[in-house]
Amino acid sequence: EIVLTQSPGTLSLSPGERATLSCRASQSVSGNYLAWYRQKPAQAPRLLIYGASSRATGIPDRFSGSGSGTDFTLTISRLEPEDFAVYYCQQYGALPLTFGGGTKVEVK
Amino acid sequence: QLQLQESGPGLVKPSETLSLICSVSGGSISTSCCYWDWIRQPPGKGLEWIGSIYYSGNTYYNPSLTSRVTMSIDTSKSQFSLRLSSVTAADTALYYCVRRTEDTHHHHYMDVWGKGTKVAVSS
Repeated sequence: EIVLTQSPGTLSLSPGERATLSCRASQSVSGNYLAWYRQKPAQAPRLLIYGASSRATGIPDRFSGSGSGTDFTLTISRLEPEDFAVYYCQQYGALPLTFGGGTKVEVK
Repeated sequence: QLQLQESGPGLVKPSETLSLICSVSGGSISTSCCYWDWIRQPPGKGLEWIGSIYYSGNTYYNPSLTSRVTMSIDTSKSQFSLRLSSVTAADTALYYCVRRTEDTHHHHYMDVWGKGTKVAVSS
């Protein structure tokens, strides 16, 4: 099983600032099949990025994904109010599918 | 636009079987592009993949749950279902049904989520 470790656990930032979230895998993620999701309070997760760097339909370009192998990054260039939420990475290169523990982005 | 809607009892007694249905609307469940998954989230915690089913009926389960999980699909009703047996308080969670769609490399990522349904295990 591929274990995904997200850091930091909590990120305290102000609107307009840049956010950098990390996801590290216990072994290489095949084909860089890694996705990122944003979960707002009391809502289902929403797909942001798939294939490590491809933005999902309707996702603004302030979201970008990068990385390969075991180290992946989600960058939010300028935080909007709706971006204060919890973010999860997830690998879909191997079964069982696994998620990271999440990073909470909170208002400083 | 594809929509998923979970339904089922909100309360299940310990040792009994949890049963949920996901209804798919706005698109076909009988499509080769996609897998249909169940994900759960215990209160205040992260996400856990339970399993996947293909329209042909092929299933894939999380090894941590495989002895207790059964998934099925009814293409005539555009529904797929989850059964989790011998439940305990640890199975209390928000249960989501999810579509996994195919990318250009024939791997599948989770692109459409239901709103989720809360299930509590308690006597």
